[in-house]
Amino acid sequence: AQSVTQLDSQVPVFEEAPVELRCNYSSSVSVYLFWYVQYPNQGLQLLLKYLSGSTLVESINGFEAEFNKSQTSFHLRKPSVHISDTAEYFCAVSPYPILGNDMRFGAGTRLTVKP
Amino acid sequence: ETGVTQSPTHLIKTRGQQVTLRCSSQSGHNTVSWYQQALGQGPQFIFQYYREEENGRGNFPPRFSGLQFPNYSSELNVNALELDDSALYLCASGLSNEQFFGPGTRLTVL
Repeated sequence: AQSVTQLDSQVPVFEEAPVELRCNYSSSVSVYLFWYVQYPNQGLQLLLKYLSGSTLVESINGFEAEFNKSQTSFHLRKPSVHISDTAEYFCAVSPYPILGNDMRFGAGTRLTVKP
Repeated sequence: ETGVTQSPTHLIKTRGQQVTLRCSSQSGHNTVSWYQQALGQGPQFIFQYYREEENGRGNFPPRFSGLQFPNYSSELNVNALELDDSALYLCASGLSNEQFFGPGTRLTVL
C-alpha cells in the first residue's frame, strides 16, 4: 500500500513571497503523483500531475512540482503567491493508470496568503 | 465548473439509518470514484467503478456500497449509519488520465 505525508499542516506567507508545500510518499510500487487544490465549500481541482517523463511539472497558474524518486518527494512550489492562492492543498498518489483508483491523499496543507 | 454534480448538498441522518448519495458525471466518463473526507482531513478512497463494475476498493466495510449506471450517474449507499460516517462525500468522474470532482455532499449523522 502507499501513503502520503504532507509535512506542514499550515503555511502562512505574505503576498508575493515564494512558497513551498512539502509532500513525501511511501510506496512499494511505481506511483503517479498529484497535487489538488480545494477552495472553501468546493470540491477538489487538479493542480498538476506527474505520470512519466520530465520530473518537473508545471500548472497554468504558476505552480510547479518536482518528482524526486530518491527522496520520494513531490514538493509544490510557487515563486510569488497571490491572495487568491489561499486554499487547502492536497498531495495524492495512485498506483494505477486509471486515475482515481486507490488514490491516497495526504492530510492537506492550508496555505494562507496575507496582504 | 467540472460538470460533475452531487445531490443532496447537505443531509442529516440518525444512527442506524440508511442513506443514498447521488452523483451525475460528464457524458462519456467511464470511471467514478467515491471518497470520504472527514473534517480537517484528506479524502479517503472508498471505491471506484469502471464501466458499471467495481474496479477497486479502499478500507471501508461492506455497508458502503455503490452503483454506476449507463447514463453516467452513480450512487453511494451507506447502511447502518454510525456517528463516524459524518463527513463530506466526494465523487469524481473521469476518463483514464483525468478525474473531475463534484462539490460533495455533507452528511451529518446524529
